[in-house]
Amino acid sequence: NAGVTQTPKFRVLKTGQSMTLLCAQDMNHEYMYWYRQDPGMGLRLIHYSVGEGTTAKGEVPDGYNVSRLKKQNFLLGLESAAPSQTSVYFCASSWGSGNTIYFGEGSWLTVV
Amino acid sequence: GESVGLHLPTLSVQEGDNSIINCAYSNSASDYFIWYKQESGKGPQFIIDIRSNMDKRQGQRVTVLLNKTVKHLSLQIAATQPGDSAVYFCAEKSPNFNKFYFGSGTKLNVKP
Repeated sequence: NAGVTQTPKFRVLKTGQSMTLLCAQDMNHEYMYWYRQDPGMGLRLIHYSVGEGTTAKGEVPDGYNVSRLKKQNFLLGLESAAPSQTSVYFCASSWGSGNTIYFGEGSWLTVV
Repeated sequence: GESVGLHLPTLSVQEGDNSIINCAYSNSASDYFIWYKQESGKGPQFIIDIRSNMDKRQGQRVTVLLNKTVKHLSLQIAATQPGDSAVYFCAEKSPNFNKFYFGSGTKLNVKP
């Protein structure tokens, strides 16, 4: 049972480039999330999804887009990368809004 | 990978001692709380959770205490081991917004 799997684990981008982070979960969870984690700060919610075909904005959605075409996958896109988007990105999933959130191992993104 | 836990409060304990990590939460209406452990270069790992209708919950070597009067959550780790060294943070779920909010964490150093 792999849980939540993210790819890639490390990536370096140049300012203005675009990329997509992939997330897959095998727990049949309805809810999926993308967070970013910056030094000294708590996890901040970028976007989330409450089911296949749905997406919603979190606390810090600007500069990111997401898609949930299949229940098990949640994609995070950076349209035009900026140095401020240098961060560690975590995908997560849960059964519902009041249930435990399980995290992936993280994707380290550096924008130069 | 990038190190998480920079500029975080640090708790240093001797191996075998008990550890107590504290968390102040913000919303008196929050109804669900989770403690996570995050090792360097890895994703947050679920440790234990508690709902607001409880004051205490025990797991294996861990106990979570909830004091709703002062909006305080604590994690007690019994007989702390070197493998417990990590950043620990709490998460609270607000019923109003159905989302989790995460603390920045405390770094636990276990001295052999």
